[in-house]
Amino acid sequence: GQSLEQPSEVTAVEGAIVQINCTYQTSGFYGLSWYQQHDGGAPTFLSYNGLDGLEETGRFSSFLSRSDSYGYLLLQELQMKDSASYFCAVNYGQNFVFGPGTRLSVLP
Amino acid sequence: DTGVSQDPRHKITKRGQNVTFRCDPISEHNRLYWYRQTLGQGPEFLTYFQNEAQLEKSRLLSDRFSAERPKGSFSTLEIQRTEQGDSAMYLCASSFGQPYGYTFGSGTRLTVV
Repeated sequence: GQSLEQPSEVTAVEGAIVQINCTYQTSGFYGLSWYQQHDGGAPTFLSYNGLDGLEETGRFSSFLSRSDSYGYLLLQELQMKDSASYFCAVNYGQNFVFGPGTRLSVLP
Repeated sequence: DTGVSQDPRHKITKRGQNVTFRCDPISEHNRLYWYRQTLGQGPEFLTYFQNEAQLEKSRLLSDRFSAERPKGSFSTLEIQRTEQGDSAMYLCASSFGQPYGYTFGSGTRLTVV
């Protein structure tokens, strides 16, 4: 079956760096994506790893290691507005299987 | 480009009634997706259209659910004989080209009472 695991909650202070992990028990997927969702809002695309390695987009970086069945999202220079839920997702063609999400709380 | 629009934003219905939701994707996007999200969970894939063709349906999509995209532009999702378990946020997303990097709409929150 398809299963992704994420920590349910992470707390960090403003200006810090936080890593949100995503482990999976599946194979044959095309890539790993990350989405951000504020309460009551739409999921917003952050990054995509089609290949193993690190992808960097501004303050956000994402990493994938297929051999370790593991990926992560790294958020640097945390801001209060980064408080949200973060979802990893793998895609098999056109449809995505999302993880349960990690709620990030950024404290002043 | 006004993003992905969904209507209505909220819908409360009695069990057993039929409901229909509408999604207007970004105009140049040829791919349209429906997902369902319950509180505290990630979105679950329901169905996918490329232009007007429905190319993929999840096993989650029971016979009570039907989706259309008649002219390859807007799409509708209908749920017949609603059940309390159908209460969720129904999200529409669209994309062009690559399947990743969807643009999601703000969703329709359905409450079945």
